Amino acid sequence: EDKVVQSPLSLVVHEGDTVTLNCSYEVTNFRSLLWYKQEKKAPTFLFMLTSSGIEKKSGRLSSILDKKELFSILNITATQTGDSAIYLCAVGSGAGSYQLTFGKGTKLSVIP
Amino acid sequence: EADIYQTPRYLVIGTGKKITLECSQTMGHDKMYWYQQDPGMELHLIHYSYGVNSTEKGDLSSESTVSRIRTEHFPLTLESARPSHTSQYLCASTGDNYGYTFGSGTRLTVV
Repeated sequence: EDKVVQSPLSLVVHEGDTVTLNCSYEVTNFRSLLWYKQEKKAPTFLFMLTSSGIEKKSGRLSSILDKKELFSILNITATQTGDSAIYLCAVGSGAGSYQLTFGKGTKLSVIP
Repeated sequence: EADIYQTPRYLVIGTGKKITLECSQTMGHDKMYWYQQDPGMELHLIHYSYGVNSTEKGDLSSESTVSRIRTEHFPLTLESARPSHTSQYLCASTGDNYGYTFGSGTRLTVV
């Protein structure tokens, strides 16, 4: 059974701090790893990673995948209150098919 | 603008009623999915489709049914709603690049 584990489940930081969110996985037929940000409604796409060691960046957010150790990290630098959300990690897998398995998410709270 | 639409956004309905949650996408994606998410919990796949007239059940057992008569449309139906069906239902689609796009969700409350 495919499994995605995120840690920590909850995190409280002050504005300006840097945070690292973790995602480890065990899946068969790995295709991709995706990060989403979920506020009050639907998840919004952040990154999709398919190759090890290649960092993806978008503003203050960055992410990298290690396919040998089966994990990914999401970094957020100089956090702002608008970064408060649940960050979801999902792994796409399947041979001839494609489905995402989601982790429970990390709830990030950024306080002024 | 290509997007994925879900209606209604919120629905409060009595026990025993039949309901259909709508999901449409304008991106021409073959693959579409329905996820169920309870507050503070992870998303669970309940149905998916890889094309017209193709539907499969997901990992989480659900009493709902789906249909895929047109590429762009993937409605979910509950024949007889119960309080245990109260949840958020998220529709998603993906094309060849495998990046999911989610709809805004339908928050269902069965009283």
